[in-house]
Amino acid sequence: DQQVKQNSPSLSVQEGRISILNCDYTNSMFDYFLWYKKYPAEGPTFLISISSIKDKNEDGRFTVFLNKSAKHLSLHIVPSQPGDSAVYFCAASESGANSKLTFGKGITLSVRP
Amino acid sequence: DTGVSQDPRHKITKRGQNVTFRCDPISEHNRLYWYRQTLGQGPEFLTYFQNEAQLEKSRLLSDRFSAERPKGSFSTLEIQRTEQGDSAMYLCASSLGLNSPLHFGNGTRLTVT
Repeated sequence: DQQVKQNSPSLSVQEGRISILNCDYTNSMFDYFLWYKKYPAEGPTFLISISSIKDKNEDGRFTVFLNKSAKHLSLHIVPSQPGDSAVYFCAASESGANSKLTFGKGITLSVRP
Repeated sequence: DTGVSQDPRHKITKRGQNVTFRCDPISEHNRLYWYRQTLGQGPEFLTYFQNEAQLEKSRLLSDRFSAERPKGSFSTLEIQRTEQGDSAMYLCASSLGLNSPLHFGNGTRLTVT
């Protein structure tokens, strides 16, 4: 049973435009959500997170939005840059950022120059 | 760079052989995690340690798998009598606790022939 779902396997956007990566979850016990970025042959790198008590968190070009009633979160990247091309994983935990994480399958983002 | 270090990067073994992987976490990080990632999937939780204590194990961790973290520093993951289904990327991560995110190593890619 996939508790964290990233239904779109890939996304392609033009450099300078907005990238919107979506994630849905089914476990209402999740209280912390994170996004990781992964380049080939490297481990996942933490990008941004959000607690369930918030609905938005922003860090530079990256913003994560959380809609608890819909069990949906999204990552916005503005403006998108070619270096953002990577696999993005949505992850969730039942007790904070440093607890056991449940990951989605990932979305491959390609930013075209 | 004093990130999470994993050794070896690649391991090819024949079915039935035993293998052992090593993870050196970021110093002072008291939590250490093992995840497994197969093609097209996100990382899946295997087990984690708080200092030297193994606090949780996934049902994915069969009796052939054992993990240790002596003295709360580095950790080893051993797989006995390897099977072809064990072929995957094995990722180690560490965190400082206190709601800090997980930092991943670059993984050990295991191929069982």
